[in-house]
Amino acid sequence: AQSVTQPDIHITVSEGASLELRCNYSYGATPYLFWYVQSPGQGLQLLLKYFSGDTLVQGIKGFEAEFKRSQSSFNLRKPSVHWSDAAEYFCAVGVVPGNQFYFGTGTSLTVIP
Amino acid sequence: DAGVTQSPTHLIKTRGQHVTLRCSPISGHKSVSWYQQVLGQGPQFIFQYYEKEERGRGNFPDRFSARQFPNYSSELNVNALLLGDSALYLCASSFGPYQETQYFGPGTRLLVL
Repeated sequence: AQSVTQPDIHITVSEGASLELRCNYSYGATPYLFWYVQSPGQGLQLLLKYFSGDTLVQGIKGFEAEFKRSQSSFNLRKPSVHWSDAAEYFCAVGVVPGNQFYFGTGTSLTVIP
Repeated sequence: DAGVTQSPTHLIKTRGQHVTLRCSPISGHKSVSWYQQVLGQGPQFIFQYYEKEERGRGNFPDRFSARQFPNYSSELNVNALLLGDSALYLCASSFGPYQETQYFGPGTRLLVL
């Protein structure tokens, strides 16, 4: 069965420090890959997506993610975190046969001054 | 331009009752997907509709049903409510038949007592 794993439930970083959020997926082929952010009281916002091509994708708010087929991973990175980045981050996988869509359990990011 | 809208924003029901949640997609979008997000977890895919036809279904019981109207708005119906149905119900719209880029609404918070 398809699955999305975000091994870090909670991460705390200092403002200005770099960030990497991990995501691993289990699927037979290369699915569509996404990162979403959810702030308190806000809806889910798409940060970036990967369908094919260049394995390093750029998103909004200075985020980027790298697809590594050999590791079935799609980790999210940001070189310098801002206090406003504190939120819940979800990795997601879209599977075209059957139009299924799977979210990970999320990583909660806290940013300290 | 208006984003995805959902109504109502909050709802309280008792066990055994029925509930209908509504979603209006972004203008021009023909696909609507529904998700259930239990507190502390990632969203779980329930249904996807495109051009009024069901294109995808998650692992939810038959108590959950949905439909899409000619104007592409959608309803999610849940019968015989259980306490475990308490969750945030999210609607997402996208242009094409695949959930390649989804835009999420703010959700309907359902509490079952």
